[in-house]
Amino acid sequence: DQQVKQNSPSLSVQEGRISILNCDYTNSMFDYFLWYKKYPAEGPTFLISISSIKDKNEDGRFTVFLNKSAKHLSLHIVPSQPGDSAVYFCAAIRNTGNQFYFGTGTSLTVIP
Amino acid sequence: DSGVTQTPKHLITATGQRVTLRCSPRSGDLSVYWYQQSLDQGLQFLIQYYNGEERAKGNILERFSAQQFPDLHSELNLSSLELGDSALYFCASSETGGLNYGYTFGSGTRLTVV
Repeated sequence: DQQVKQNSPSLSVQEGRISILNCDYTNSMFDYFLWYKKYPAEGPTFLISISSIKDKNEDGRFTVFLNKSAKHLSLHIVPSQPGDSAVYFCAAIRNTGNQFYFGTGTSLTVIP
Repeated sequence: DSGVTQTPKHLITATGQRVTLRCSPRSGDLSVYWYQQSLDQGLQFLIQYYNGEERAKGNILERFSAQQFPDLHSELNLSSLELGDSALYFCASSETGGLNYGYTFGSGTRLTVV
């Protein structure tokens, strides 16, 4: 049962433009949502998170938006840079939980 | 270097065999988590240990087991291996429960069962 879904396996964007990565979830009890970034041959690294009581969190070029009614979150990267090319995973967790539920990832390619 | 060390990086073994994957958490982290990433799959939670005790279990097969030692390193044991066990196995650590600030992941062990 995939509680967190990323329906776009890949995305290509021109350098300098906006990248929008999407994520949907099914469990309304999730309290935190995170985005991880993964380069080949490395483990995922934490990028940005958002609490379920917020609808937006910004950190430099990265902004995460949460729409609880739609059970949808998105990661915006502006402006996109070639070094942003990686696989991005969204993840969710309950406040009382022990495990993160991960999506299947979206491979972002930023074209110079 | 994330501070979480996983060995070996690559492992090739035959069906029916048993392997042990090792993880050293980041200094100061008490929790260790094991995740499996199969082809085209997200990371699937297997098991969590906190300060030597099993804390949570996810989709871990009975053929798999894990433990966390007094020095906090952890081992994941996979036995009676099948072709479908071929995957990337990640270990992650956190100071406590790892909620809004996430985990720190190791670079993974790629297991190939032939």
